Amino acid sequence: AQKITQTQPGMFVQEKEAVTLDCTYDTSDQSYGLFWYKQPSSGEMIFLIYQGSYDEQNATEGRYSLNFQKARKSANLVISASQLGDSAMYFCAMREGMEYGNKLVFGAGTILRVKS
Amino acid sequence: SQTIHQWPATLVQPVGSPLSLECTVEGTSNPNLYWYRQAAGRGLQLLFYSVGIGQISSEVPQNLSASRPQDRQFILSSKKLLLSDSGFYLCAWSVRDRNQPQHFGDGTRLSIL
Repeated sequence: AQKITQTQPGMFVQEKEAVTLDCTYDTSDQSYGLFWYKQPSSGEMIFLIYQGSYDEQNATEGRYSLNFQKARKSANLVISASQLGDSAMYFCAMREGMEYGNKLVFGAGTILRVKS
Repeated sequence: SQTIHQWPATLVQPVGSPLSLECTVEGTSNPNLYWYRQAAGRGLQLLFYSVGIGQISSEVPQNLSASRPQDRQFILSSKKLLLSDSGFYLCAWSVRDRNQPQHFGDGTRLSIL
């Protein structure tokens, strides 16, 4: 079974509007972490936001927030006030439990295109 | 501040030739180090990771190998490249704290002809 599922291969959003990118995960661990990364066309991976499984509040970082629904095993990324520079591939990733080496498992990604 | 350097940025190699990609980290000690491969339009596949000098864990059996000769140096190698080795290779580092993210280099685009 897929550990990380991103069901939206591609998304469009109008500039200045908000957009939600979906991520569901599968784990039997109680302790885990969820990460979102942005990959522009140039290829570098940029860390955006982190949510720990024991964090009671949803993580926020500037225009990025994470809608964490533990019972549903979802960790959706919300980007507010979209900008043209937000056009990129977005990856959700999970670190499970006490995984040796803090390994991450990545989803297949969602391509986001911001329209002017 | 910490930085990660990865080179070369692009590489075109013939089938059967050797490979050496290098990654170095500055500004931190005893990091975890990682090599990933990304096929075009796909997610990242973890190839190797290391928690210390000389310690290498392989995630996917394949034509590649990794080495960590120094604390902040991570090398990806192959003796004979295959067409299927083409892709985008990314090096990353993290601190020991499992709540901290991995930080990535700019990647190497490898084309095998």
